[in-house]
Amino acid sequence: DAMVIQNPRYQVTQFGKPVTLSCSQTLNHNVMYWYQQKSSQAPKLLFHYYDKDFNNEADTPDNFQSRRPNTSFCFLDIRSPGLGDAAMYLCATSRGGIDMQFFGPGTRLTVL
Amino acid sequence: GEDVEQSLFLSVREGDSSVINCTYTDSSSTYLYWYKQEPGAGLQLLTYIFSNMDMKQDQRLTVLLNKKDKHLSLRIADTQTGDSAIYFCAESLTGGGNKLTFGTGTQLKVEL
Repeated sequence: DAMVIQNPRYQVTQFGKPVTLSCSQTLNHNVMYWYQQKSSQAPKLLFHYYDKDFNNEADTPDNFQSRRPNTSFCFLDIRSPGLGDAAMYLCATSRGGIDMQFFGPGTRLTVL
Repeated sequence: GEDVEQSLFLSVREGDSSVINCTYTDSSSTYLYWYKQEPGAGLQLLTYIFSNMDMKQDQRLTVLLNKKDKHLSLRIADTQTGDSAIYFCAESLTGGGNKLTFGTGTQLKVEL
């Protein structure tokens, strides 16, 4: 089945230690998104790639970076995680334009 | 502005209908979506409606859109315990690129 896959499902890191979260898709969609969802809150868009074009949200901290080496994979790098970065990180994809987004299962990040 | 609001909680008995409401402020919405999120999981796209439609039915789900009042609702017929989850409405905007703005989420609890 075509899907959006996130690894790992649970990630524990230490305060200030860089961490990378991974997302892959078999849908061959043009657009890949990263959302941050804190407890009891709505998902908040961090950035997205439309093909190779990177689009950062204005209020996304510099601490968050992303890479998309090819159509299938997209990574979220957190350079120096703080306690406030503990959250669920959701990857989503869409074909492009204003089109429905399909979400992965998420990675829950814990910062110690 | 882009504010999407939902009531926080809804409790229904199994077999009854559930109605989850959503209000939005931006009249340039193009598509409106309903997503379901079970505990610890990603977002599952349930259904969507284009802004020039008033109603959409999909099996047990009925979406009603009142564009004049900027009000969206999701009706779940014959609600089951497996429907217990958080439900998010989301809007995508004309000219907003690929950005979805999510509501605050409604926690639906189905009681026996």
